[in-house]
Amino acid sequence: EAGVAQSPRYKIIEKRQSVAFWCNPISGHATLYWYQQILGQGPKLLIQFQNNGVVDDSQLPKDRFSAERLKGVDSTLKIQPAKLEDSAVYLCASSQTGGSYNEQFFGPGTRLTVL
Amino acid sequence: AQRVTQPEKLLSVFKGAPVELKCNYSYSGSPELFWYVQYSRQRLQLLLRHISRESIKGFTADLNKGETSFHLKKPFAQEEDSAMYYCALAGAQKLVFGQGTRLTINP
Repeated sequence: EAGVAQSPRYKIIEKRQSVAFWCNPISGHATLYWYQQILGQGPKLLIQFQNNGVVDDSQLPKDRFSAERLKGVDSTLKIQPAKLEDSAVYLCASSQTGGSYNEQFFGPGTRLTVL
Repeated sequence: AQRVTQPEKLLSVFKGAPVELKCNYSYSGSPELFWYVQYSRQRLQLLLRHISRESIKGFTADLNKGETSFHLKKPFAQEEDSAMYYCALAGAQKLVFGQGTRLTINP
């Protein structure tokens, strides 16, 4: 089966600019996750969608980050305005159903550098 | 609160030697634990989960609730085991990852 797709793979922006990332999950997967992975750390969940509804966004910095999953398939994550500390790899993952015990399938990630 | 600690950022062993990657957790409920692995230039992927009680690529992990640990072990390391390993704890609705251990197998 095709894996989770993400684009772009790399992005370099200056602080205060905006940026958007796109994710296409595995076909049929109801649950989609966005993680932030700062260098030297493990992935940290930003937001979890079940179909097109938000399950958990408790760690999403809502003053600058937003995410949507229209039609319950693709998703976009936006940062506006970006800060230096947003430099990280942004990982998208999907699973067949919700529940944290289900195997998550990860995309290749988008490496963001904020200058 | 959920917390996962991997005390070793780097671990280097020789081929054929035993490997143990440490993972300790903190969680008030009944834990579900996983090991995810990321090989060079590949995606993060599930290696094994404790509920399956399986051995994958020669690796095993036993949940020790008394010591709140879920260490990953392999009796004889192979060069292809070189990778980044993350321990993860599933609780409530989300998966919480440790900081990861970079395992290097020397020939």
